[in-house]
This record gives sequence, structure tokens and C-alpha cells, in this order.
Amino acid sequence: SYELTQPPSVSVSPGQTARITCSGDALPRQNVYWYQQKSGQAPVLVIFDDSKRPSGIPERFSGSSSGAMATLTISGAQVEDEADYHCYSTDSGGTHWVFGGGTKLTVL
Amino acid sequence: EVQLVESGGVVVQPGGSLRLSCAASGFTFQNYVMYWVRQPPGKGLEWVSLIGWDGTRTKYADSVKGRFTISRDNSRNSLYLQMNGLRTEDTALYYCAKDMGDPRFYYMDVWGRGTTVTVSS
Repeated sequence: SYELTQPPSVSVSPGQTARITCSGDALPRQNVYWYQQKSGQAPVLVIFDDSKRPSGIPERFSGSSSGAMATLTISGAQVEDEADYHCYSTDSGGTHWVFGGGTKLTVL
Repeated sequence: EVQLVESGGVVVQPGGSLRLSCAASGFTFQNYVMYWVRQPPGKGLEWVSLIGWDGTRTKYADSVKGRFTISRDNSRNSLYLQMNGLRTEDTALYYCAKDMGDPRFYYMDVWGRGTTVTVSS
């Protein structure tokens, strides 16, 4: 079965840049989507189509993808960005949709 | 405002059955693909199932195939998940989610708050 791999945790100080990676064999051919999930809340879409930001998402959130790895970057991370971040994509055939294991971002 | 409200989560014994419901409002429900996604306690998200706008196309994760059935009633703006042969590993918060509507890729843009299913003897 297809898997997306994320680091379990990332920690930064307020104002620093946080980078969360997501790796998968099919990422050279498939888009990646990123969801933010704050404690006790439902996920919120923060990046779609590798690098596009939905309306209402702060500009400090950006995404990129190169080869088999995608990266969510939070430039100047704020305390309110502390959350779990999940990447999402599909396998080469587009028939199995999966989430990465999630990355807990700590900002303090 | 788009709203998704899940219900039906309870404590059930292994081998038991359960039907989850999701009431949708604030958008034209019949035009969108819909999903169920679950999250075991303290763990990450797991894609469970999707259903096409008219209910004719359904997909399942391998972990639930043959045990779970997704369905919808467009006249009632409702999504369902029939869960049979429940296992302890099905214990999770179950989210209902709406598709973005992009024909190039299936992904979720709005989620409900979830309903909790606990499988335990």
C-alpha cells in the first residue's frame, strides 16, 4: 500500500521558519495537499495543488514540491501555528488516497 | 455557511454494526463528492471512503473494504457510513468531509467536527 512519510515533530521559536516535509514515491507525478489540525479541532486546508493557498490562509504559509518530497514552509511561525500538520496525496494510479502520519509543530 | 454535522457514534462490541450519518447544509450537496476520514485516538488521519455525487461511484480503504458501505441521500442532504464487522482497530473519531469540487483531484475542503466510535467489549 502507498505511504507518505512525515517527521513526527518539528520545533521552532516564534518568528523562525518552520519546514515540514512529506515524502512519497508518487509525488513527482501527483499533487500534495496540506491540512492544519489544532488540538481538539477538525482539519483545515492550508495548501492545495502543492503550493496554492486557500483564501483566508496567511501568506506565511507556503508549499513546494520537488521530486519525491513536498515541503510546507511557515515563514515567521507564530504561537497560534502550533498544530498537527498532515500531508495528503494519492498513488501513481490515482486510486489510493492517503495521509501522511502527521507532524506536530511546536512553536515556543 | 457550509456545515457538516456527524452523528451516530457510540460504544459497540467487536463484531457489531453501526451506521454513521452526516447532515450537510450551506451548499448544493448533490453536486459534490463526499468522504469519510477517521482518526484513531492520538494518531494521524486515515482516509476511509468516498462517494460520487450521484452515489454510483464508491471507493474504500483496504482496511475497511467489504465491511463498510458508504451511501448518500441527496434528497435529505445526508451522507452515511454503514459499518459492519467492527474491530477494535476501528475505534476512532470519524469525520465527514466535502470535496473541493476540482475535477483534477479528489481532496477535502470542509470537514465536520466528527463523531466518536469506540469498539470495545
